[in-house]
Amino acid sequence: EDQVTQSPEALRLQEGESSSLNCSYTVSGLRGLFWYRQDPGKGPEFLFTLYSAGEEKEKERLKATLTKKESFLHITAPKPEDSATYLCAMVNTGNQFYFGTGTSLTVIP
Amino acid sequence: EPEVTQTPSHQVTQMGQEVILRCVPISNHLYFYWYRQILGQKVEFLVSFYNNEISEKSEIFDDQFSVERPDGSNFTLKIRSTKLEDSAMYFCASSLGRVNQPQHFGDGTRLSIL
Repeated sequence: EDQVTQSPEALRLQEGESSSLNCSYTVSGLRGLFWYRQDPGKGPEFLFTLYSAGEEKEKERLKATLTKKESFLHITAPKPEDSATYLCAMVNTGNQFYFGTGTSLTVIP
Repeated sequence: EPEVTQTPSHQVTQMGQEVILRCVPISNHLYFYWYRQILGQKVEFLVSFYNNEISEKSEIFDDQFSVERPDGSNFTLKIRSTKLEDSAMYFCASSLGRVNQPQHFGDGTRLSIL
């Protein structure tokens, strides 16, 4: 069964303390893996798409990487404004989309 | 920056009633999606729509659900006879291209079934 699992469920970091969020996936055939940021009361905001193992993408303090079984979202020197829920999602070759439950990140000043 | 807009932000409906949720996708986008998120659970894919027809749908999208693009700007989700378990946040999204292209989400409609 295709599915996405994210860990940890919640993460508290001091400002400037770098860390990584994990997204493990099982899929029959991967067409794309997405990272989104979601603020309370808002819809998901697109961050990255990764298409194949070994691919990496960066945006400001965030870097996403992909292997054949998992993806990581690395956060370097986070700031309080990075506090949000980070969602991982994938689309398979059947064009079905699967989301993880998210990691709730809190960055403490 | 262009955005996806959804109305209403909160809809309260009696069980068994029909409800229509409305979305205005980004104007040059071609693919449209509906998702739902039951409180405390994962975002779940419902349906994708392209060229005035359903492209893909999940097992959740049964006969009580339908989608329509009634004009050049709106995209709607209709639930024919609502059940208590339909209570959720419903998100609309759109993308320029298909499947593995970035999707832009609206802020959702919270549907409460009484």
